[in-house]
Amino acid sequence: QVQLQESGPGLVKPSQTLSLTCTVSGGSISSGSYYWSWIRQPAGKGLEWIGRIYTSGSTNYNPSLKSRVTISVDTSKNQFSLKLSSVTAADTAVYYCARNGDYYDSSAYAFDIWGQGTMVTVSS
Amino acid sequence: QTVVTQEPSFSVSPGGTVTLTCGLSSGSVSTSYYPSWYQQTPGQAPRTLIYSTNTRSSGVPDRFSGSILGNKAALTITGAQADDESDYYCVLYMGSGMVFGGGTKLTVL
Repeated sequence: QVQLQESGPGLVKPSQTLSLTCTVSGGSISSGSYYWSWIRQPAGKGLEWIGRIYTSGSTNYNPSLKSRVTISVDTSKNQFSLKLSSVTAADTAVYYCARNGDYYDSSAYAFDIWGQGTMVTVSS
Repeated sequence: QTVVTQEPSFSVSPGGTVTLTCGLSSGSVSTSYYPSWYQQTPGQAPRTLIYSTNTRSSGVPDRFSGSILGNKAALTITGAQADDESDYYCVLYMGSGMVFGGGTKLTVL
């Protein structure tokens, strides 16, 4: 079955760019019809959707983060990635990657598979 | 900007029934928002419970059910168990994006 694993630096300096990768295993990222999302959660707080990408490269972003976010996909590596620029301490959070359900099914509007999450701290 | 609202906290007795809700700061939630529900325990990734208002995700017991109640989406847990004590989040699909509610901390005692 499909599994997701986040990876990337655990510490990023303020004003720099946070970069994370989500590796898909147990299936091809480009098989089927799925969006692939990034979600984050500051310590002790709720979840926030960052954005998503379709395997065609089409993206949607949270309007509050749109100016700083880029999500891309590398089908040859079975990965999709997140870049968040000009980070501040407010971007410190656990970052999750997740799969949205089948594009041609009502499950497309939900997350059906989650990674375990990776903690990113923004600090000098 | 429309905010997705949830009760900050709720408590239920073991064996009891509880209904958590998911609303909008402006307007009503309908099936067109494809409400989904997630359970999260401390230190763990969320687990998908319900999608598209009332469809249970694979492996989710039928103690969990989703619906629209009035102008809100609702998650009902019947026969609450100790391990249902978790944070519960709803998500609404809005246009081309997805918005989380603030979450409800459910205590079973």
